[in-house]
This record gives sequence, C-alpha cells and structure tokens, in this order.
Amino acid sequence: DVKVTQSSRYLVKRTGEKVFLECVQDMDHENMFWYRQDPGLGLRLIYFSYDVKMKEKGDIPEGYSVSREKKERFSLILESASTNQTSMYLCASSLLGTEQYFGPGTRLLVL
Amino acid sequence: QQQVKQSPQSLIVQKGGISIINCAYENTAFDYFPWYQQFPGKGPALLIAIRPDVSEKKEGRFTISFNKSAKQFSLHIMDSQPGDSATYFCAASLDNSGGYNKLIFGAGTRLAVHP
Repeated sequence: DVKVTQSSRYLVKRTGEKVFLECVQDMDHENMFWYRQDPGLGLRLIYFSYDVKMKEKGDIPEGYSVSREKKERFSLILESASTNQTSMYLCASSLLGTEQYFGPGTRLLVL
Repeated sequence: QQQVKQSPQSLIVQKGGISIINCAYENTAFDYFPWYQQFPGKGPALLIAIRPDVSEKKEGRFTISFNKSAKQFSLHIMDSQPGDSATYFCAASLDNSGGYNKLIFGAGTRLAVHP
C-alpha cells in the first residue's frame, strides 16, 4: 500500500514564525504536491514537484516555498506565518500521470 | 476557464436513497475527471474516475455520468449507506506532456446519509 505521511497532525504557531511541514512517501513516486484545504474552497494547489530539486508553482504559491532534496521527501515552508495561512495542509504523491495519494493532513493554526 | 464548479455544497439523503453530486467545467481540454472521497481526519482518496471517451462508468454502487457537450459530470451513489457519509470532491485535469496530472478540484460536497 502507498503510504504518504505528514510530520504533524496539528500545529499551533505564532504570526511571523517560520514553519516547516514535512511530507514523506514510500512508493518511489516522481510527483509530489502540496495543497491547502479550506471550507467552501476545496483543495487548492500551492506547489508541486515532478523530480528531485524541481518545483513548479501551483495556483496559490504566495507566502510559501518548497524544498525537495530527496525523491521521497517534499517540504512546505511558510517563511513568515500569517493568520490567513491557518488551514488544513495536504500532501500528495503520484506516479507519472496517475492517481494522487494523499496524506492525512496537517491542521495549522496561526495565532 | 480553469474552474470546476461543484454542487450542492451539502446533501442529506436517507439510507437506501440515491445521492447525486454535480460538477461543471469550462476547459474543453480537460481529459481526466476523478472523484475523491474524504472521511473526517483523513486525506482524500480516489473513488472513481472517467475519461471523456465514455459517457458512463460504474464501480459497484458508484457511477460517474459524463456529458461532454454540456461540460458536466456527476457522481451517483445508489443505495446510499451511512458509511458513505463523507466529503466528496470532483476534479479535472489536463494531461501534461511532463507526465504529471495537475488536478483542479471542486469546492466539495458534504454528504450525510441518515439511517
């Protein structure tokens, strides 16, 4: 079974803090994705990566950056957390052009 | 043109009834239409998917109906059960020459099936 794990289920941070969200997949997938999920807005793509050290902006990249140093690991970084980044963050991975497998999500609260 | 519009936002169905969720899209280049199911505390998981070369796909109690000319597709859940209570997301993607499916998601439908 494909497994996508996220480093934290819940996080509470203060405005201005630097926040790291980690995602690891165990199926040697080329593609990895970061989404945020907000009520009434569905899932919105922040960044994705199709290879190590490669990244592409999604639909809402502002205020975020990513890092993919190893194939199995994709990190989302909030350089200076703001209250409007309070959300559920979902990581996903996929083989080329196939189904995306999601992690359980990290619920981030920025105070 | 990249949006996928999903309705209704929430749905209550009695056990044994039919649940219907609708989605509409604008970009005629989309060529893959999956539905994802999400239970509380879990990430979304692929439920069923269709490509535009067929008008219907059925897997057990779940059916996707696809209307290419109207640019609409819908999920039908037959004999709905309390265990189907979840949030459902439709999505669409444009197959990219780079090989990754960048999915555009609808806003989601929260389904509650009452016993």
